[in-house]
Amino acid sequence: DTAVSQTPKYLVTQMGNDKSIKCEQNLGHDTMYWYKQDSKKFLKIMFSYNNKELIINETVPNRFSPKSPDKAHLNLHINSLELGDSAVYFCASSQPRQWRGKETQYFGPGTRLLVL
Amino acid sequence: AQKITQTQPGMFVQEKEAVTLDCTYDTSDPSYGLFWYKQPSSGEMIFLIYQGSYDQQNATEGRYSLNFQKARKSANLVISASQLGDSAMYFCAMREDNYGQNFVFGPGTRLSVLP
Repeated sequence: DTAVSQTPKYLVTQMGNDKSIKCEQNLGHDTMYWYKQDSKKFLKIMFSYNNKELIINETVPNRFSPKSPDKAHLNLHINSLELGDSAVYFCASSQPRQWRGKETQYFGPGTRLLVL
Repeated sequence: AQKITQTQPGMFVQEKEAVTLDCTYDTSDPSYGLFWYKQPSSGEMIFLIYQGSYDQQNATEGRYSLNFQKARKSANLVISASQLGDSAMYFCAMREDNYGQNFVFGPGTRLSVLP
């Protein structure tokens, strides 16, 4: 069974469109993340969502919005897509953090977004 | 200022030998976590190992160990007995627990394992 799944795997769209990427985890984790990896392989966290607490990276444009219908899902909605949004987007989840405890993370396969 | 520095853009290692990938970090948060990830050419991200700032012992996961030197603010990844399948990009990352859970990545090191 896939632990963290993302759909779609590839997304090609025109500038100005609105699109969503879905993420689901079946691990019972409380924390989920969205990351962006640009063409130079540089990774940046966009959001983390933990027990209904959303932590936003302040550098992320407000055209990006995470939506969590339930604990197992954290979808990413992007309005008015721009050329610079082209990247690979990874969803991840992690075990509930215990104070000073061990942590592991599981990643989805990534969504390759190309904005034309 | 760079929060995470990985000074080795590329590394080569002979199969079956050990290799150390460097990572230094910068934070004033007393509580933080350090992470290493592997990204093969196929593109998936694989979490490897985690070290908490208060952990007394270095983290180990199979052939991976994290050489945590808190005073030097370094968190080097050691891969023992390298395998051809270890060829990949390796990213070091840090999460600052008290500063809005700020999570930053290093630029990565590309490791190539030679037969």
